[in-house]
Amino acid sequence: SAVISQKPSRDICQRGTSLTIQCQVDSQVTMMFWYRQQPGQSLTLIATANQGSEATYESGFVIDKFPISRPNLTFSTLTVSNMSPEDSSIYLCSGENNYGYTFGSGTRLTVV
Amino acid sequence: ELKVEQNPLFLSMQEGKNYTIYCNYSTTSDRLYWYRQDPGKSLESLFVLLSNGAVKQEGRLMASLDTKARLSTLHITAAVHDLSATYFCAASTSTSYGKLTFGQGTILTVHP
Repeated sequence: SAVISQKPSRDICQRGTSLTIQCQVDSQVTMMFWYRQQPGQSLTLIATANQGSEATYESGFVIDKFPISRPNLTFSTLTVSNMSPEDSSIYLCSGENNYGYTFGSGTRLTVV
Repeated sequence: ELKVEQNPLFLSMQEGKNYTIYCNYSTTSDRLYWYRQDPGKSLESLFVLLSNGAVKQEGRLMASLDTKARLSTLHITAAVHDLSATYFCAASTSTSYGKLTFGQGTILTVHP
C-alpha cells in the first residue's frame, strides 16, 4: 500500500504568515485529498487535488486561503495563508490505494 | 449530502468485556471504512467494507456492513488496554469521487 510522507510534522506560526505543507507519496495516486482535524474533532475535507487541474474545494474552504498544488501523481502541497489562531488544527493529506485510503502522518499547526 | 453518525462518542470499557460501536450513514454508500487514531498520530486503516453483509475480522476487532439498514458496526471482543484509541468510520459514494465523509469518532478507553 502507498506510504505518504508529510512534513512538517508540527509548526508554531505567527498570525498573518503562511505555511506550506508537503506530502510525498511513494507510488502514483490519482487523487489526493487534504483534510483538517480541529482539536478533539473529526476530519473535514478541505479539497481534492488532481494532477494538472485546479483543486476542488469543499463548502467553506477557498483557494485564496488554502492554495493547493499537485504538480505530479506523487506530490502535493497545501498552503495555509494569512493564518489566524482559528487555523490551529491538524492537517492531513490522503491518497487512494488498493486498500482504501492512506493518510500522511499529519501536520499539527499552532497559530499564535 | 452524505452524513455519517457514530455512537457512542465516548466508550469506557473494562478489560475483557465486549462492546459495539455503531456507524449510521444517510445515503447509499458504496464503501465503508474504519480507522483507528492514537493521540497525536495519523489514521491507521482497519477495515474496508465493500458490500452488503461484508464481515471482516482482525484480532479482537470485527466489522460488518448492512447496506439496507445503512449501518456498520465495529465489535470489540475481550477488550485490552492496547485498544484504547479513537475509532472513526467513514463512507464514500460512487458520485463523491473518492471523498470520504467521516463520523464524529468514538473515543475508546479500556480500563484494567
